[in-house]
Amino acid sequence: DGGITQSPKYLFRKEGQNVTLSCEQNLNHDAMYWYRQDPGQGLRLIYYSQIVNDFQKGDIAEGYSVSREKKESFPLTVTSAQKNPTAFYLCASSRQLTGNSPLHFGNGTRLTVT
Amino acid sequence: AQKITQTQPGMFVQEKEAVTLDCTYDTSDQSYGLFWYKQPSSGEMIFLIYQGSYDEQNATEGRYSLNFQKARKSANLVISASQLGDSAMYFCAMRESGGSNYKLTFGKGTLLTVNP
Repeated sequence: DGGITQSPKYLFRKEGQNVTLSCEQNLNHDAMYWYRQDPGQGLRLIYYSQIVNDFQKGDIAEGYSVSREKKESFPLTVTSAQKNPTAFYLCASSRQLTGNSPLHFGNGTRLTVT
Repeated sequence: AQKITQTQPGMFVQEKEAVTLDCTYDTSDQSYGLFWYKQPSSGEMIFLIYQGSYDEQNATEGRYSLNFQKARKSANLVISASQLGDSAMYFCAMRESGGSNYKLTFGKGTLLTVNP
């Protein structure tokens, strides 16, 4: 079945450590996204990518970095510069960046930093 | 100002009854799209239904329909014949056609509880 795989489901890190969240899709979608979700909040866009080797900052990119070396993969690194990294992270993809193409989401990674 | 407003933090409905989840939006674009997503406790976001601003008919997908009132800038989700499995968070989202057309902007969600 086609879909988006995020791993791991739960991640625990000490403050000051960088951590990388994995996101893989086999939907052959061009566009990929990372969103952050905090309790009682909607989703906020961290980074997005329209094609391989190209990505753009979203609304809350500070303290995060991404890469898009392959169409299928869009890993997110949460760096030590991110002041409040504890959150639920959702990766998504869509056929195209604009228009009526819905986003398809993975199951998310819950990151806890202590 | 918020782009997407969901005024109901929580809603309760009896099994087999219909329920309406409210969503109002703010945009100056003429062309835009509205999406509804369901998020069960497992965390995955599930796409439910889409309405384009130029669509003349209200969108429907199975038990889901969208009550689109363009002049009032509202896009309410109607779930008919509620089931226990419908208990989840529901998010309304919008994609505009202007400078930020690359992203979906989400509301804060409504937690729906279906009672047996």
